[in-house]
Amino acid sequence: GQNIDQPTEMTATEGAIVQINCTYQTSGFNGLFWYQQHAGEAPTFLSYNVLDGLEEKGRFSSFLSRSKGYSYLLLKELQMKDSASYLCAAMDSNYQLIWGAGTKLIIKP
Amino acid sequence: GAVVSQHPSRVICKSGTSVKIECRSLDFQATTMFWYRQFPKQSLMLMATSNEGSKATYEQGVEKDKFLINHASLTLSTLTVTSAHPEDSSFYICSALDRVTDLPEQYFGPGTRLTVT
Repeated sequence: GQNIDQPTEMTATEGAIVQINCTYQTSGFNGLFWYQQHAGEAPTFLSYNVLDGLEEKGRFSSFLSRSKGYSYLLLKELQMKDSASYLCAAMDSNYQLIWGAGTKLIIKP
Repeated sequence: GAVVSQHPSRVICKSGTSVKIECRSLDFQATTMFWYRQFPKQSLMLMATSNEGSKATYEQGVEKDKFLINHASLTLSTLTVTSAHPEDSSFYICSALDRVTDLPEQYFGPGTRLTVT
């Protein structure tokens, strides 16, 4: 079956670094997405990985290992506004997104 | 980037009535659109995949006669919640797939908050 696993909740300190892990199993694979979602709002796109390796985009980086079915989102220099849920989603062969339950990230001053 | 709009953003209706939610891709053609439902503190749940000019594909457990989906053009898909009940109260989000670009990204609308009283 298809499955995405990510931690339910994480806490980090303002200015620090946090890594959110995600493991996936899908029927076919067209890439791994990370989205940020604030309460009451739709998800917003953060990153896309389809090849192995690290993609860096400002304070956010995303890593993918296809052989391990594993990805992580790395957030640096954390700001209070980064408090949100982070959703990992794998795209299957039908271009459907298989969603994780989301990781609620709490930033403390 | 590509923009997807949804209308209305919020709607309150009485039990037993029907509500229509529109999803539009504003600056690209979307042959495929997706409808999601999200309950508080839960992740997105795919309800159906809508392809322009054909019938929608519904996920298991989603009643196609209750959640009517029409994708009549390359820029518009509609979701009609028929005979709404309080348990249908949820956050409904659409997304549109742009396959023209190299990135097969789903662009999300802002969502519609439905409250059934």
